[in-house]
Amino acid sequence: GQQLNQSPQSMFIQEGEDVSMNCTSSSIFNTWLWYKQEPGEGPVLLIALYKAGELTSNGRLTAQFGITRKDSFLNISASIPSDVGIYFCAESGNTPLVFGKGTRLSVIA
Amino acid sequence: ETGVTQTPRHLVMGMTNKKSLKCEQHLGHNAMYWYKQSAKKPLELMFVYSLEERVENNSVPSRFSPECPNSSHLFLHLHTLQPEDSALYLCASSQAVGEETQYFGPGTRLLVL
Repeated sequence: GQQLNQSPQSMFIQEGEDVSMNCTSSSIFNTWLWYKQEPGEGPVLLIALYKAGELTSNGRLTAQFGITRKDSFLNISASIPSDVGIYFCAESGNTPLVFGKGTRLSVIA
Repeated sequence: ETGVTQTPRHLVMGMTNKKSLKCEQHLGHNAMYWYKQSAKKPLELMFVYSLEERVENNSVPSRFSPECPNSSHLFLHLHTLQPEDSALYLCASSQAVGEETQYFGPGTRLLVL
């Protein structure tokens, strides 16, 4: 089946630092999505990417759809404590979403 | 605020119990989903409903029985569960199946003893 590989699995960073995480796949996909899940809540959509090479920003978040359509990265600039959570990538081809295992982000104030 | 609510938020049940999870979406969507989230594993899609019809069942054991009486409500009936079924069960909805913007509820944390 389709698999998404996210790295790193977890990160501990100092408040104010920039964060980078990525997601790769063995298959080509049409849409890349990034979700964030806070403790005790369901995932919330952060950014959706639709075109190879597309770079999209949402406040301090920036995500890019890789040229090969097999990868994507998410950057968070100037991290703050409320950035804590698990960040999931997901892809959408012609089937319902497939999710990666997530990157768990901890921010030390 | 996601517009998708789930009850209960927490549930503890024995292996012989029967219980039901409820999901309600207030977004006017036509597709609803059940996911299972276990520690250190990706989100696992369980069931997909489109306009109250089940369109996907990802080899889920029969001890999980979904029900979709209308496009706003989705249930997951549980009976004779196993301890390994303990997980966070998430409901989601989207405008249509395959529509990538899925909105998730807060989940029901289930513990099977």
